[in-house]
Amino acid sequence: QVQLVESGGGLVKPGGSLRLSCTGSGFSLSDHYVSWIRQVPGKGLEWISYISSSGTTIYYADSVKGRFTISRDNANNSVSLQMNSLRLEDAALYYCAREVPWARWFDLWGQGSLVTVSS
Amino acid sequence: EIMMTQSPATLSVSPGERATLSCRASQNIRTNLAWYQQKPGQAPSLLIYTASKRATGVPARFSGSGSGAEFTLTISSLQPEDLAVYFCQQYHDWPPYTFGQGTKLEIK
Repeated sequence: QVQLVESGGGLVKPGGSLRLSCTGSGFSLSDHYVSWIRQVPGKGLEWISYISSSGTTIYYADSVKGRFTISRDNANNSVSLQMNSLRLEDAALYYCAREVPWARWFDLWGQGSLVTVSS
Repeated sequence: EIMMTQSPATLSVSPGERATLSCRASQNIRTNLAWYQQKPGQAPSLLIYTASKRATGVPARFSGSGSGAEFTLTISSLQPEDLAVYFCQQYHDWPPYTFGQGTKLEIK
């Protein structure tokens, strides 16, 4: 079954860290660009980070630049998001989503991993 | 950064009727626009790309149109399973990719 599965979410205090993982199954994630997109439940979608298929091109939204780091392990068909210095406003459901190369739209999404930031 | 504005925020349509959702970009994005459907409790799924091309498996009652800064998603004959929030996304000028705030489609 072709799918993306996120893991690693949870409850963390402000200033804390969390690492999310996104694993592809049923296809080779190494053939695809991947983004992380977050959503406060009941609200809109915010793109936060992108990594190219080789990992050589990386982008971040201004809201997370300098605090979050995206990386990938193509041997294990996975992409990770290291989140440091977490703030209350980072609380959201985090989705990983794949792009068909050069397509720039998201043709497959994971089910999401919930990050709660609270003291 | 390109801003995307969707209207209306909420739309209530009877089964079998037509639903028309709008998305406006803050500048010309040609046809670099996608639409997503997010059903309650689920992740978004791709409906339309390049403004008018249906993704694999999307029913023919869904159609997209527009170019430049004005876009429309039309559901020709609303089905109960179309209850969802619909988002548009521009990929003309990125990063960042930007999304509209969504239109919640209710079944009357």
